Amino acid sequence: NAGVMQNPRHLVRRRGQEARLRCSPMKGHSHVYWYRQLPEEGLKFMVYLQKENIIDESGMPKERFSAEFPKEGPSILRIQQVVRGDSAAYFCASSPNGAVFEVQYFGPGTRLTVT
Amino acid sequence: DQQVKQNSPSLSVQEGRISILNCDYTNSMFDYFLWYKKYPAEGPTFLISISSIKDKNEDGRFTVFLNKSAKHLSLHIVPSQPGDSAVYFCAAAAKGGGNKLTFGTGTQLKVEL
Repeated sequence: NAGVMQNPRHLVRRRGQEARLRCSPMKGHSHVYWYRQLPEEGLKFMVYLQKENIIDESGMPKERFSAEFPKEGPSILRIQQVVRGDSAAYFCASSPNGAVFEVQYFGPGTRLTVT
Repeated sequence: DQQVKQNSPSLSVQEGRISILNCDYTNSMFDYFLWYKKYPAEGPTFLISISSIKDKNEDGRFTVFLNKSAKHLSLHIVPSQPGDSAVYFCAAAAKGGGNKLTFGTGTQLKVEL
């Protein structure tokens, strides 16, 4: 499967625990984007990363959320001390070069439920 | 502030007819627009895009029209098929905007037999 991979597909965490969401971009893509979709809403941009660099984190909450895309391995979105309001679908997308007129291809998402 | 708006939450069309999905935007810096289709429990799938230098782009059954002066775009699907039933999202990007996509809230299309 050459598409964007995300795991886990479903994640249940209790309030106060940590959530780690993983994203492997499409083969040949070095740019990764994370979006969050709350129930009944559209997708909202969170962060844009290139290998070992955060390019734009203007959509990330200031506290508890962090993202990385190491030289080797998948991109990780980390949410510390989760709260009920973090329950959402988190989508990762990738693109080859990060150019503006470039399609972003999405993974299947991770559905986070905080109990 | 919703910069990309899809004012129709749902649309129902008969099989074989044309489906027209609409999208309005407020940010005049947007210069690249995309349509994605999304099935439940799946990620968005890219359908078609258009840059601001064009007013129409066509790919098979899908055509996107852009009216920059009205800040409006539309997706036409003809003929509509039952497999087209999904949520359709309009998205926009601005040159110099860091590649982030701004999405509308989606329109649920139902194609009936």
